[in-house]
Amino acid sequence: GQQVMQIPQYQHVQEGEDFTTYCNSSTTLSNIQWYKQRPGGHPVFLIQLVKSGEVKKQKRLTFQFGEAKKNSSLHITATQTTDVGTYFCAGVLDAGGTSYGKLTFGQGTILTVHP
Amino acid sequence: EPEVTQTPSHQVTQMGQEVILRCVPISNHLYFYWYRQILGQKVEFLVSFYNNEISEKSEIFDDQFSVERPDGSNFTLKIRSTKLEDSAMYFCARKAPQGFPTLHFGNGTRLTVT
Repeated sequence: GQQVMQIPQYQHVQEGEDFTTYCNSSTTLSNIQWYKQRPGGHPVFLIQLVKSGEVKKQKRLTFQFGEAKKNSSLHITATQTTDVGTYFCAGVLDAGGTSYGKLTFGQGTILTVHP
Repeated sequence: EPEVTQTPSHQVTQMGQEVILRCVPISNHLYFYWYRQILGQKVEFLVSFYNNEISEKSEIFDDQFSVERPDGSNFTLKIRSTKLEDSAMYFCARKAPQGFPTLHFGNGTRLTVT
C-alpha cells in the first residue's frame, strides 16, 4: 500500500535556528498537506500543495512540493518556542472517487526549540 | 477552537467491553472521518463516511468497528469488543467546505483499554 516516509523523527534546535522536515511518498500524490500537532493536541491543518513544483510560504514557513509530486518539505526559518510540536505531512493519493479525504500520514517530526 | 466536538475526552474500558465514541459537528456537514493515533505514532485513517454511508475504510477498520450517524447530527464510532491494542487517540474530522479534502480535526478521545 501507499507509504509516506518522513524524516527526521526528532529535531532539537536552538531558538533562532532553522528547521526542515522532509516527506517522501512511495507513489505519486494528488496533493500533499501539512499538519501541526501541539503536545496533547489534535492535528491542525497548515497548508495544502497541489501542483508539481509548487512552493508556498506562510510567514516563516516555506512548503515545497516536488516536481514528481512524490516528495515535499517544510522549512521554518528562525524558529521560535511557539513552533514546538509535531509536524506531519499527509498525502492524498486520489482526490476524487472513493479515496476522498483519505490521508496517509507520515510518521511526523517532533520539533523541540530551546530558548 | 475545533469545529468538531468529541466526547468523551477520555474513556477507560476493560478489554472485551464495547465503547462508543461520539463526534458532534458544529454545523451540518456530509463528510466525516475517523482517524486514530497510537501514542507517539502517526495518525492513521480508519474510515470515511459520506451521506450516511461508509465510503472507504482501512485494514484497521475490521468487523469490530462500526460507524453511524443515528440522529443526523452525532457521528459515532463503536468498537464492539475492545482489545488492548485499541488504546489510542481517536480523532473525528470533517472536510473543509471547499476544494481538496483538507481536514478539521476534533480534540480527540483518548481510549485506554485495560
